[in-house]
Amino acid sequence: AQKITQTQPGMFVQEKEAVTLDCTYDTSDQSYGLFWYKQPSSGEMIFLIYQGSYDEQNATEGRYSLNFQKARKSANLVISASQLGDSAMYFCAMREGPGANNLFFGTGTRLTVIP
Amino acid sequence: EPEVTQTPSHQVTQMGQEVILRCVPISNHLYFYWYRQILGQKVEFLVSFYNNEISEKSEIFDDQFSVERPDGSNFTLKIRSTKLEDSAMYFCASRFLSTGDPFEQFFGPGTRLTVL
Repeated sequence: AQKITQTQPGMFVQEKEAVTLDCTYDTSDQSYGLFWYKQPSSGEMIFLIYQGSYDEQNATEGRYSLNFQKARKSANLVISASQLGDSAMYFCAMREGPGANNLFFGTGTRLTVIP
Repeated sequence: EPEVTQTPSHQVTQMGQEVILRCVPISNHLYFYWYRQILGQKVEFLVSFYNNEISEKSEIFDDQFSVERPDGSNFTLKIRSTKLEDSAMYFCASRFLSTGDPFEQFFGPGTRLTVL
C-alpha cells in the first residue's frame, strides 16, 4: 500500500484565489510527521510546512496552512491568495515513527496559477 | 542563510561508468540523506547516514551504490557501474540532530544524472 497518496495529478487555480491540494497517508505508527514540499521547474525541493501527529492545531506558515484530519488520515495543503509564483509541483511527504529518518513522498500535484 | 549544495548540477556518463555525486550539507547538521527522482515520478529515499555509517537504506540502494563522508564537509554518493535506469535527479538532504519535531530535512538543488 502507498504510504502517501496524492490523487490530483494537476490543479488549476485563479490568481488570488485559494486552493487545496489533497494528501492522504497510511501508517500504523502513533508518532509521525507530515511535510509539504514545493518543487518549481528549476528542480529544487523547498520545504513549506510541517505537521506533527501530536500537534493539536493545524500548522500555518504565511499563506500556507495544513488541514490535518487525523481520523481521516489526511493532511491537505491550503494555499491562500494564490500567486503566479506558486505554479509548481507540490509533494506531500511523511516521516514515520519517532526516530525515523527517511521521508516517503507522494506522486505530487502540479499546480498552475492562472492570471 | 545556510544551504545544502550539490555538484555537479548535471552529469552525463556512459553506461557502465562510475560516477560520484557530491554534496556539502549544512555545517552543523548531523544526518545526511540521498534521494532520487526519476523524471516525472516521485522522490524516493535511497539512504540515510549518521555518525559515519549508514543508518537506513532502501531496497533501491543495492551494492552498486555507496556513500561516504570523506572529510568534515563533503558527503558523496557513488554509483559503481551506472545503468540506464540510474538516470534521475539525485537530491542530497541534511538535518540537524534534534530530539523533537519537526525533523526537517533541507534539500540541495539536485544533480541531474543522465546515463547514455
